[in-house]
Amino acid sequence: QKEVEQDPGPLSVPEGAIVSLNCTYSNSAFQYFMWYRQYSRKGPELLMYTYSSGNKEDGRFTAQVDKSSKYISLFIRDSQPSDSATYLCAAHGGATNKLIFGTGTLLAVQP
Amino acid sequence: NAGVTQTPKFQVLKTGQSMTLQCAQDMNHNSMYWYRQDPGMGLRLIYYSASEGTTDKGEVPNGYNVSRLNKREFSLRLESAAPSQTSVYFCASTSQGAGTEAFFGQGTRLTVV
Repeated sequence: QKEVEQDPGPLSVPEGAIVSLNCTYSNSAFQYFMWYRQYSRKGPELLMYTYSSGNKEDGRFTAQVDKSSKYISLFIRDSQPSDSATYLCAAHGGATNKLIFGTGTLLAVQP
Repeated sequence: NAGVTQTPKFQVLKTGQSMTLQCAQDMNHNSMYWYRQDPGMGLRLIYYSASEGTTDKGEVPNGYNVSRLNKREFSLRLESAAPSQTSVYFCASTSQGAGTEAFFGQGTRLTVV
């Protein structure tokens, strides 16, 4: 079983919709939780990160972590066609310094 | 700054051949990682090096070996390539401590026939 599980998608939404992307994790040692965005044939790039439980907002993007339920979420408001990409959640921390990714969700925002 | 540089970008191997994927970073990062990415599987951690002189297995280490040559370089070796190792390989690095951004190379597309 993967330490970080992610809803696989794919997900197709109309422009302007609110998008919800979700992950769960199993390793209690993880302390940092991240969302990466990956465009086709490119390496992933960091979108947002959150330390421990709580919310973090950056423009149209909000990341949430609930450590009690080991749940990670990313919300995208007013989605745009340029948001079309694969979104990967990731967890990091603990004594080993592992950085583990979910399987990724392919998002398509239709104009 | 170049960031994280991987070589080669593309490679075709025959079953049983060996090869080494090279990765170098110029950001003075302590931790380096090797991942493989397959359709529907996301990024799976092969090996990582938390600091110079240490290496640890990740999620899918079988069939691979690594060397942390120095602080800048972290190589991945396939001793006897198998078709199941056909994948896109990414190297990444982070600075000391959890929560810091991981920077990725451009990837190596490996096909084993």
